[in-house]
Amino acid sequence: DVKVTQSSRYLVKRTGEKVFLECVQDMDHENMFWYRQDPGLGLRLIYFSYDVKMKEKGDIPEGYSVSREKKERFSLILESASTNQTSMYLCASSLRGISTDTQYFGPGTRLTVL
Amino acid sequence: QKEVEQNSGPLSVPEGAIASLNCTYSDRGSQSFFWYRQYSGKSPELIMSIYSNGDKEDGRFTAQLNKASQYVSLLIRDSQPSDSATYLCAVPEESGGYQKVTFGTGTKLQVIP
Repeated sequence: DVKVTQSSRYLVKRTGEKVFLECVQDMDHENMFWYRQDPGLGLRLIYFSYDVKMKEKGDIPEGYSVSREKKERFSLILESASTNQTSMYLCASSLRGISTDTQYFGPGTRLTVL
Repeated sequence: QKEVEQNSGPLSVPEGAIASLNCTYSDRGSQSFFWYRQYSGKSPELIMSIYSNGDKEDGRFTAQLNKASQYVSLLIRDSQPSDSATYLCAVPEESGGYQKVTFGTGTKLQVIP
């Protein structure tokens, strides 16, 4: 079974802090994704990556950056956390084909920024 | 920005009935379509994918695709209380030379015992 893990289930940070969210997948998937999910807005893509050291902006990249130094690990960084970044953050991975392959999601990190 | 639209619901159906969930999409070039199920407090999981016009059946689930009308639907036969969840429609699209998946906001289904 594919397993996608995220470093924290719940996280509370203060405005202005630098926040790191870690995601690890164990199935040698090429593609990895970071989404945030908010009530009424659904899943929105923040960043994605097709390969090591490769990243592409999604629909809402402002205020975020990412790092993929190893194939299995994809990190989301909030450079200076703000209250409007309070959300559920979901990491996902897929084997190869974006348009054909299932995305497997991690359990999510609920981030609260005070 | 390509769009994927779903009625947010909640859609309430009695146990044993057929639940019908609908999704429309704006990108005529889309070739594949996915339905994910998300239980409250959990992450989404894939339940169906469909690539060709027509119906695709998997157990109690049937996905229907009509590319000419740009809609995809999910039918759940013999609905069970355990089917109560939010169902997300997902459509890959071309954007900036890359493919990415756009998710609808989801339809919340409630199956009443």
